[in-house]
Amino acid sequence: GAGVSQSPSNKVTEKGKDVELRCDPISGHTALYWYRQSLGQGLEFLIYFQGNSAPDKSGLPSDRFSAERTGGSVSTLTIQRTQQEDSAVYLCASSLGPAYNEQFFGPGTRLTVL
Amino acid sequence: GENVEQHPSTLSVQEGDSAVIKCTYSDSASNYFPWYKQELGKRPQLIIDIRSNVGEKKDQRIAVTLNKTAKHFSLHITETQPEDSAVYFCAAKAGSQGNLIFGKGTKLSVKP
Repeated sequence: GAGVSQSPSNKVTEKGKDVELRCDPISGHTALYWYRQSLGQGLEFLIYFQGNSAPDKSGLPSDRFSAERTGGSVSTLTIQRTQQEDSAVYLCASSLGPAYNEQFFGPGTRLTVL
Repeated sequence: GENVEQHPSTLSVQEGDSAVIKCTYSDSASNYFPWYKQELGKRPQLIIDIRSNVGEKKDQRIAVTLNKTAKHFSLHITETQPEDSAVYFCAAKAGSQGNLIFGKGTKLSVKP
């Protein structure tokens, strides 16, 4: 079946603008995760959704970052008033649920803030 | 919270040699330890994982060992091939949490 998809694949924006990044998880996966990968770095956890539970936002770096998950499926990560340090690849992953450990990653959105 | 350290950051081996990458973690509650391979410009792909009730797991040329007492785990790749060249990430997950905590990665280069 289809894997995790993300859009856009690339986004170039100007400092101060807002951006929205989209993630479509694998059908039936109740858990969804957002990670950020800066150049040459590991993956930094941002936020985690599990079913209808309140999301775990403990990884969000500032209040400029927010995320929603509508209908338990598609998720949108929003970055307001973007800064140059926000430039990174934003990766989404999904898993069947918290008891199922394997996370499947999407191709990522490369964000460049000029 | 959990912290994962990974070494080395770069590793260069000759084709056919073995490669070993080591990780340590801080949270004794962590119970799941995956390894991901990321080729240039591509998404991370799970290559092997181990749960805390197991000490070693093998899958063809790849093996992972876990020492819960010392809180470290290692990836072993034998008979390396040029296509093994990639960045490898270790990670840890606590049972009470959903997200993975990743190491900073090891860039493996296999020279033909």
